[in-house]
Amino acid sequence: EVQLVESGGGLVQPGGSLRLSCAGSGFTFSDHYMDWVRQAPGKGLEWVGRTRNKAYSYTTEYAASVKGRFSISRDDSKNSMYLQMNSLKTEDTAVYYCALCSYSGGNWYTDSWGQGTLVTVSS
Amino acid sequence: DIQMTQSPSSLSASVGDRVTITCRASQDISNYLVWFQQKPGKAPKSLIYAASSLQSGVPSKFRGSGSGTDFTLSISSLQPEDFATYYCQHYNSYPLTFGGGTKVEIK
Repeated sequence: EVQLVESGGGLVQPGGSLRLSCAGSGFTFSDHYMDWVRQAPGKGLEWVGRTRNKAYSYTTEYAASVKGRFSISRDDSKNSMYLQMNSLKTEDTAVYYCALCSYSGGNWYTDSWGQGTLVTVSS
Repeated sequence: DIQMTQSPSSLSASVGDRVTITCRASQDISNYLVWFQQKPGKAPKSLIYAASSLQSGVPSKFRGSGSGTDFTLSISSLQPEDFATYYCQHYNSYPLTFGGGTKVEIK
């Protein structure tokens, strides 16, 4: 059974930094692309970014709203993915989900999700 | 960026009803579309991928259709556990984007 567990959320001041972790199990972590998606309180879903697998040199993609401030990395030896968040703004307050991507018909899609971790940016 | 527009934003229905949710992409996304279900306080759950392929374990009462720019999610014989918010998301190109969501409430 696929399991994804996020950790590292909490309260941080504007301009601060935070690092989220996502631990995966129940699947071959190294084979898969992985996503971060967030949801502000009472709002819809927003894709944050993606890391490809080793075959594609672990390259990354980001939403414009976080590009240059957030960085995604992974450690396949630990079955883990990370989201380094710098220069945090109040509008970054959200539940952050990590998600496993699956492959179909030529593209990778967001598939199974973790339970999420809450990040609150406030003074 | 590709914009995803869902309609309606909310609907009220009774147990046993059939409902249809629409998702429109601002440009051709082929069939690169996923539908998710989210219940309050829970993570989203994938229902449909590739516009019409049912995820393993998802009941056949959920049906996805469409290609290009226009897509639909139909839910037949609504049950209490189906009342939730539904989102579409394209994966045709970066950035991936979601529709605004459709909240299905009990009438």
